[in-house]
Amino acid sequence: EDQVTQSPEALRLQEGESSSLNCSYTVSGLRGLFWYRQDPGKGPEFLFTLYSAGEEKEKERLKATLTKKESFLHITAPKPEDSATYLCAVQANSARQLTFGSGTQLTVLP
Amino acid sequence: EAGVTQFPSHSVIEKGQTVTLRCDPISGHDNLYWYRRVMGKEIKFLLHFVKESKQDESGMPNNRFLAERTGGTYSTLKVQPAELEDSGVYFCASSGSTGPNYGYTFGSGTRLTVV
Repeated sequence: EDQVTQSPEALRLQEGESSSLNCSYTVSGLRGLFWYRQDPGKGPEFLFTLYSAGEEKEKERLKATLTKKESFLHITAPKPEDSATYLCAVQANSARQLTFGSGTQLTVLP
Repeated sequence: EAGVTQFPSHSVIEKGQTVTLRCDPISGHDNLYWYRRVMGKEIKFLLHFVKESKQDESGMPNNRFLAERTGGTYSTLKVQPAELEDSGVYFCASSGSTGPNYGYTFGSGTRLTVV
């Protein structure tokens, strides 16, 4: 069974304090690993898809990396508007659906 | 481009009643998914449509849940009769490609409360 574990569950940062979120996964053949951002009362908003170990993608202050067992979402010099829940999900080669982790709730204090 | 639209945004019903949730995917997206998040748990897959056909309904919890997608456009998810454990947020997502570099687009969800 595919599994995704995210850590930490919650993270509080001061504005400008860089950090990383972790996503550990087990999947029977990885088709893609997805990062989403979710704001309260909203649906998940797509950020990145990573497909193979060693791949990296960047968007503004966010950078996602992938190894064979985990993915990191690095946040550089975060701002209060980066506060949200960040979700990691995997898609197996044999399926179209996503398996989600429980998310990391990020709070960036001004 | 309009996003994925879900309604109602909130629904409060009594145990034993019937509720129907609706999802309008992005125009032209053949793939439509239903997911749900129950209290304290992660988002879990319910089912997947390709156009009007159910491709995978392995995540449907039981036969009280019925999903349809008429004409390959909008989809409905009916819960009949509703139970307390059905409370949660139901998300719909759509995608237009089976290849790489695509991302699912999610709606804002329907928060269902069964009392």
